[in-house]
Amino acid sequence: EAGVTQFPSHSVIEKGQTVTLRCDPISGHDNLYWYRRVMGKEIKFLLHFVKESKQDESGMPNNRFLAERTGGTYSTLKVQPAELEDSGVYFCASSQEKGLAGGYNEQFFGPGTRLTVL
Amino acid sequence: AQSVTQLGSHVSVSEGALVLLRCNYSSSVPPYLFWYVQYPNQGLQLLLKYTTGATLVKGINGFEAEFKKSETSFHLTKPSAHMSDAAEYFCAVSEKDTGRRALTFGSGTRLQVQP
Repeated sequence: EAGVTQFPSHSVIEKGQTVTLRCDPISGHDNLYWYRRVMGKEIKFLLHFVKESKQDESGMPNNRFLAERTGGTYSTLKVQPAELEDSGVYFCASSQEKGLAGGYNEQFFGPGTRLTVL
Repeated sequence: AQSVTQLGSHVSVSEGALVLLRCNYSSSVPPYLFWYVQYPNQGLQLLLKYTTGATLVKGINGFEAEFKKSETSFHLTKPSAHMSDAAEYFCAVSEKDTGRRALTFGSGTRLQVQP
């Protein structure tokens, strides 16, 4: 079974440009999450989809970030316009809807997209 | 709001020595607790988790962690380090009482294993 995949693995753009990151979750996983790690700091939550609906977007930093999940399958995260402080690694994770014993669904992470804004 | 503190951004041990990575959390209600590992050029992999029940949990690759409510800690240990354990380790928590699924991570500890 394929894991969570992310594209591209690296992206280098100029300040003010637009970048779109893509995440393909594990097949059958209704939950999809975006996180990012900026400048070697802690990994921070951005948002959570359940199927195509945004369940929790409390971590989105500002309105330059737009996440979508059309049809409840893959997701995109667009940054427009990109700023220097957006540089970092963007992780995607997915989990099943039904809880495991103990009530928690394990989140499976992708390898991340390293974004560099010059 | 929850927070996670990992003491030591870098830890170096000799091969065969005990590994101890520290994690303390701040939460009004004991949360779900996790340790993730990231090997170079790879995504985060779950090492182990505590959700309920026995407070000493065993994970993959010989790692284990103990939830101590009185100390709000979830330290990660391994009796004997192996060269392949060199990676970055992240402690994380998730709210148990609200059902919110977001993970809150610590800043990470990079483990070096010396031959």
